[in-house]
Amino acid sequence: GQQLNQSPQSMFIQEGEDVSMNCTSSSIFNTWLWYKQDPGEGPVLLIALYKAGELTSNGRLTAQFGITRKDSFLNISASIPSDVGIYFCAGHPSGSARQLTFGSGTQLTVLP
Amino acid sequence: DARVTQTPRDKVTEMGQEVTMRCQPILGHNTVFWYRQTMMQGLELLAYFRNRAPLDDSGMPKDRFSAEMPDATLATLKIQPSEPRDSAVYFCASGLSTRVSSGANVLTFGAGSRLTVL
Repeated sequence: GQQLNQSPQSMFIQEGEDVSMNCTSSSIFNTWLWYKQDPGEGPVLLIALYKAGELTSNGRLTAQFGITRKDSFLNISASIPSDVGIYFCAGHPSGSARQLTFGSGTQLTVLP
Repeated sequence: DARVTQTPRDKVTEMGQEVTMRCQPILGHNTVFWYRQTMMQGLELLAYFRNRAPLDDSGMPKDRFSAEMPDATLATLKIQPSEPRDSAVYFCASGLSTRVSSGANVLTFGAGSRLTVL
C-alpha cells in the first residue's frame, strides 16, 4: 500500500530557531494534512492542504503541498518550548477509497 | 469546542480478558475511524465507518477484534480475548465526508485509550 516517508525522525533545536520537516510519497496524494501530538493526547490538526502548489500558514507554521503532489513540507519559525511534540504528516491517496495514511512522525525537542 | 470523547483513558487488564473501548464522535460527523498507535508501527488504521456502516476493517485482526456503531453517537472497539501484543494507544477519530473517496476528510481525534495487557 501507499507509504509516507517522513523526515527527520527527530530534531533537537534551540528556542528561536526555525524548523523544517517533510513527507514524501511514491504515489500521488489528493490531500496533505499536518498534525501535532502532545504527550498523552491525540493528534491535533495544524494545517490542511488540498491543491498542488498550495502554500498555507497558521501563525508561525507554514506548509506546502508539493507541485508533484508527492510531497509536502512543514516549517515552524521562531520555535518556542510549547512546539515540543510529535508532528505527523498525513495524506489521502489519489484514485483510491483508502483513508488517511500517516507518516511515522517527527519528534521535536526545543531546548531553552 | 466540539471534541471526540473516548473511554476509558487507561486500561490495564490480564491476557485473555475482554476489553471494550468506546468513542463518542463529534455531533454531525458521519465518519468514524479507529487507529492504533505503537512505537514500532506508528498510527495504523484498524476500522472505518461511514454513516454507521463499516466500510473498511482490513487493518483489524478479525479473530479477536470487532468494531461496531450501535448508533450515531457511539462507536465501540472490542478485543476478545486480549493479548499482550494488543498493548497500545487506541484512537478514535471522526470527520465529515460526502463521498467515500473524498480527499477532504479531515479528522478530529480523541485523546486515546491506553491499553496495557499483562
